[in-house]
Amino acid sequence: DAMVIQNPRYQVTQFGKPVTLSCSQTLNHNVMYWYQQKSSQAPKLLFHYYDKDFNNEADTPDNFQSRRPNTSFCFLDIRSPGLGDAAMYLCATSRESGYEQYFGPGTRLTVT
Amino acid sequence: QKEVEQNSGPLSVPEGAIASLNCTYSDRGSQSFFWYRQYSGKSPELIMSIYSNGDKEDGRFTAQLNKASQYVSLLIRDSQPSDSATYLCAVNRGDSSYKLIFGSGTRLLVRP
Repeated sequence: DAMVIQNPRYQVTQFGKPVTLSCSQTLNHNVMYWYQQKSSQAPKLLFHYYDKDFNNEADTPDNFQSRRPNTSFCFLDIRSPGLGDAAMYLCATSRESGYEQYFGPGTRLTVT
Repeated sequence: QKEVEQNSGPLSVPEGAIASLNCTYSDRGSQSFFWYRQYSGKSPELIMSIYSNGDKEDGRFTAQLNKASQYVSLLIRDSQPSDSATYLCAVNRGDSSYKLIFGSGTRLLVRP
């Protein structure tokens, strides 16, 4: 089945220790997105890739970076996690801009 | 005014009833409209998309769109306890089509 996969599902990191979350897709979609979602809040878009074209949201902290080495994979790097970065991180894909977005299962990040 | 507004709920309905979830949006240029279901601790799951005025039915779900009133709704017929979740309305902005603007969600509780 075509799908969006995120690893790990749960990640515990220490304050200030870099962490990388990964996302892969078998849908062959052009667009990949990273969202942050905190409890009882709407998902917040951090950035997205249209193919290899990177687009950062204006309010995304510099602490967050992303890489998309190929069509299938996308990574979220948090350089120095703070306690406020504890959240669910969601990867999503869409065939083209403006079309349906399909979410992976998410990675729950805990910062100790 | 928020860009996408939903009543946070909870909306409580008895099993077998029709649940009606509502959403208003502010950007008249919006083109695409989506409903996502999110169970507690899980990622959003796309359940309906609608692009033109009128009704769109899929099984027990009906999405309704009225662009003149800037209003989109989701009806769930024959509600089941398994429908208890948070329902997120998402709207594609006309001027930046990649970006979905999410409402904060309506929590639905279906009582057995």
